[in-house]
Amino acid sequence: DQQVKQNSPSLSVQEGRISILNCDYTNSMFDYFLWYKKYPAEGPTFLISISSIKDKNEDGRFTVFLNKSAKHLSLHIVPSQPGDSAVYFCAASARGGADGLTFGKGTHLIIQP
Amino acid sequence: DAGVIQSPRHEVTEMGQEVTLRCKPISGHDYLFWYRQTMMRGLELLIYFNNNVPIDDSGMPEDRFSAKMPNASFSTLKIQPSEPRDSAVYFCASRSMIDSGNTIYFGEGSWLTVV
Repeated sequence: DQQVKQNSPSLSVQEGRISILNCDYTNSMFDYFLWYKKYPAEGPTFLISISSIKDKNEDGRFTVFLNKSAKHLSLHIVPSQPGDSAVYFCAASARGGADGLTFGKGTHLIIQP
Repeated sequence: DAGVIQSPRHEVTEMGQEVTLRCKPISGHDYLFWYRQTMMRGLELLIYFNNNVPIDDSGMPEDRFSAKMPNASFSTLKIQPSEPRDSAVYFCASRSMIDSGNTIYFGEGSWLTVV
């Protein structure tokens, strides 16, 4: 039973447009959410995070939105660039992260020129 | 500053052989995690340590899997005997609750192929 779900295995977006990656979770104990980015043959790298006390966090071209009532979060990338092509993992933690992170299966974002 | 270091990067082994994956966490980090990535299941947490002590190994798939952390700078994940279904990318990750909070830092992974 997956507690963190990324229902889109892949997403194709034109360069310069907005990329929106979605993530749903089922565990109401999750209180911290993160997005990781992964290039082929590399480990995942931290991108951006958000605490459950907030509904938005922005860092440059990247913004994460959290809708606790819907148990949904999304990552917006504006504008999308070719270097953004990667697999994006949504992750969540409970109890202040003491139990580690639970990851979704990832969404492969492809930025087309 | 060195990140999480894993070895070997690639391993091809025959079914039934013992496999040992190694990890050196980031210096000063007090948590160490072993994850496995497969197409079917994504990134799964296998086991994690806090201050060298195993806290939760509920993700370890079978008794064939074992992990140790003899000191703060070294951990191993052992599979014995290995099976073809163990083929995956195994990631080690570490974290400092004080410095990095919920953010964990991954190594580049060990690509295991069991034939």
